[in-house]
Amino acid sequence: GVTQSPTHLIKTRGQQVTLRCSSQSGHNTVSWYQQALGQGPQFIFQYYREEENGRGNFPPRFSGLQFPNDSSELNVNALELDDSALYLCASSFTGTDGYTFGSGTRLTVV
Amino acid sequence: KQEVTQIPAALSVPEGENLVLNCSFTDSAIYNLQWFRQDPGKGLTSLLLIQSSQREQTSGRLNASLDKSSGRSTLYIAASQPGDSATYLCAVDDGSGNTGKLIFGQGTTLQVKP
Repeated sequence: GVTQSPTHLIKTRGQQVTLRCSSQSGHNTVSWYQQALGQGPQFIFQYYREEENGRGNFPPRFSGLQFPNDSSELNVNALELDDSALYLCASSFTGTDGYTFGSGTRLTVV
Repeated sequence: KQEVTQIPAALSVPEGENLVLNCSFTDSAIYNLQWFRQDPGKGLTSLLLIQSSQREQTSGRLNASLDKSSGRSTLYIAASQPGDSATYLCAVDDGSGNTGKLIFGQGTTLQVKP
């Protein structure tokens, strides 16, 4: 499956954070989503074969990397209070078989 | 711009009832549609995936249908149980770029009372 770390994180406004994801073996696409309380997940960006393959309506301070070993990370700089959310990682084999999601990282910015 | 809407936002039913959750989308040019379950504070669990060429998918007590021309999907849950209590999300894959991306509705929160 898809595993994410850490499960919970508390950061101070202005700090930087790195969230990590291990994709399902064989999946070459990883996507990141932000889910605010009571809302559906919002697409942040997607990586396909280690290159960014699409970005949602998020500022450049949200960035990511995908590595050859099925791992990836989401970096957020200059944290704002509104960045408090559940961050979800999802992987897929080119999207044809749907997406498998991880359990998420709950980020709280104070 | 693709928009996904789920109605109702919340639903409470007694155990044993059959129920239908609705999902509508504005652009019929979708790659596939996926239904997910989310327990409070947890990640998403995939329930059913319907490819754009398919009309329905079934898994156990769950049946999902897709009507692209009308921009609608329904998730039917038979003989509901308290363990079915969760938020149900539908998402369409817009097929953009090489691999597409998911666009979610806001979900339907289901409570099944014993």
